[in-house]
Amino acid sequence: AQKVTQAQTEISVVEKEDVTLDCVYETRDTTYYLFWYKQPPSGELVFLIRRNSFDEQNEISGRYSWNFQKSTSSFNFTITASQVVDSAVYFCALSEASTGGFKTIFGAGTRLFVKA
Amino acid sequence: NAGVTQTPKFRVLKTGQSMTLLCAQDMNHEYMYWYRQDPGMGLRLIHYSVGEGTTAKGEVPDGYNVSRLKKQNFLLGLESAAPSQTSVYFCASSYPSPNPGLAGYEQYFGPGTRLTVT
Repeated sequence: AQKVTQAQTEISVVEKEDVTLDCVYETRDTTYYLFWYKQPPSGELVFLIRRNSFDEQNEISGRYSWNFQKSTSSFNFTITASQVVDSAVYFCALSEASTGGFKTIFGAGTRLFVKA
Repeated sequence: NAGVTQTPKFRVLKTGQSMTLLCAQDMNHEYMYWYRQDPGMGLRLIHYSVGEGTTAKGEVPDGYNVSRLKKQNFLLGLESAAPSQTSVYFCASSYPSPNPGLAGYEQYFGPGTRLTVT
């Protein structure tokens, strides 16, 4: 069965601090995808990154970086030099194939507050 | 290119009333999804569709029905609304991997519909 755990319900940091959002997943499949989405106060969900189970290479995009470790079933997200605009709820999600299509399970989300 | 749109944005229903939420996408995506978002629970998949004329149950399908008569539209129906269905509903779409058997392109989400059932 699929499961995604985001143990941090809320995190509060001061602007320019670095912050890491944790994501731990469970799956029995060998082929799966992991995602991070951002939900700002306006409400819409925005895709940030996708990683497939065969690609453990870490990725950096500007101030954002992702650390995928299959050995610990984790896909953590780090924001460097946080800004107020980073304040949002961040969701980690796991997707894998199933008969007739595929399904995605979302974690409960981590609410990040960045104070000026 | 509007992306994914949802109608209506807000709705208040009384217990037992019915309604239909409309989702439309103009990206020619094959897959479409309906989720509900409740506080502290993330998004939960209600139903999904892998193509026109096909639908499948997700994690929490009870009390909902869906139809995908046209590729660009995915309708979510509540036949007899209950207070437990008070939630924010998100529609999403994506396109399948070009490699059969693999899953997972990113999903594009609509703005959400806030439904209150009293």
